[in-house]
Formats: sequence, C-alpha cells, structure tokens
Amino acid sequence: EDQVTQSPEALRLQEGESSSLNCSYTVSGLRGLFWYRQDPGKGPEFLFTLYSAGEEKEKERLKATLTKKESFLHITAPKPEDSATYLCAVQALGTGGFKTIFGAGTRLFVKA
Amino acid sequence: DTAVSQTPKYLVTQMGNDKSIKCEQNLGHDTMYWYKQDSKKFLKIMFSYNNKELIINETVPNRFSPKSPDKAHLNLHINSLELGDSAVYFCASSQVLSGGGETQYFGPGTRLLVL
Repeated sequence: EDQVTQSPEALRLQEGESSSLNCSYTVSGLRGLFWYRQDPGKGPEFLFTLYSAGEEKEKERLKATLTKKESFLHITAPKPEDSATYLCAVQALGTGGFKTIFGAGTRLFVKA
Repeated sequence: DTAVSQTPKYLVTQMGNDKSIKCEQNLGHDTMYWYKQDSKKFLKIMFSYNNKELIINETVPNRFSPKSPDKAHLNLHINSLELGDSAVYFCASSQVLSGGGETQYFGPGTRLLVL
C-alpha cells in the first residue's frame, strides 16, 4: 500500500538550532517528491520538488535531499518565522493519471 | 493577481443542506484538484480534473460532485451535508513539469462547518 510517513510529529527548536525533518515513503512508480510549508489558516505553499535519489535542492535556510526510501528537509540556523507545518507529498502513477499522497506533516516551532 | 482563489472562505450550514464551493485559477494550468483537510490536518485528495475530464476520483461519497465549466474553474457541490463533512477544503491547480512531475498551487481554503 502506498504510504508517506513524516517524523517527528512536532519539533521545538531554539533560534539557530539546526535540525532535520524526515519523510519516508513506500510507493510504486514515483514521479516526484514535494515539500510544502503550511501556515495556520492558509493553504500549503510549494517549497521543493525532488525527482531522483541523490538530488538536493536549497532555498535560504532549507535544504531538501532524497534517497530511494526517504527525504530529509534540513533547516539550518532556523528563525522564528520558519515556524509552520511542513508537509511532504509523493506523486506516483495512478488510475488515469498522477496520484498525490500527503504525509501528516511536521509542526515546527522555533523559539527566539 | 491571486493565482488560485476560492469562495467562500467560511461556510456554516445545517445538516441536510446543499452547498457549493467555487474555485478559480489564473495560472493557465491544465489540472485542478479538490482536497479535504480534516481536524488532524491530514490532506486527502478528493477529485482532480484535466481539461474538463475527471481523471482521478478517490473514494468519496457521491454526495460530492465536482463541476468544471471551463479549464480555469472547478467547483465542488455537496448534497445533504453531514456533520462529518466539516473540514477545510482546498482547491489546487497544477501543470506537468519538464522533469515529469507536477507542482500544485493551493488556494486559501474554505472552512466548512456543518451544525
């Protein structure tokens, strides 16, 4: 069964304390893995797309990496404004087109 | 210049009523989606439309029906609302990327509360 699992559920960091979020997946026919940020009361905001094992993408304090079984979102020297829920989604071939499966998210709290 | 917009933002209604949520995208994308986010914040896809054709229809009650008058719009109609339908509904649109995947752009969400 296709599945996406994110860990930890919640993560509390001090400002400047680097850490990583994990997204592990089991899916057949992977087309891409996506990371999103979601602020309270808003829709998800696209961050990165990764397509193949070994690929890395960076944006400001965030860096996403991908292996055949999991992806990591590394946060370097986080700031309070990085506090949000980070969602991982996997896209694979489904009936009639692509299917997208989301993980439950990791809630990140960064304290000043 | 909003990319994906939804109306209404909030919807409070009684059980048994019929309601619609509207979605419009001005990105020129070919595919649009409806997602449901429950109280545990889990996003689940409900429908997707590509060029006005339904291409994915996950297991949702047939009380929910997507309607797409054109490529830029995908509305969600819900009949006989139930308490369990209370959630945040997100519309999204996407375009196939050169690498073969898609990036989805989400609307701000419609918060539905059924009393």
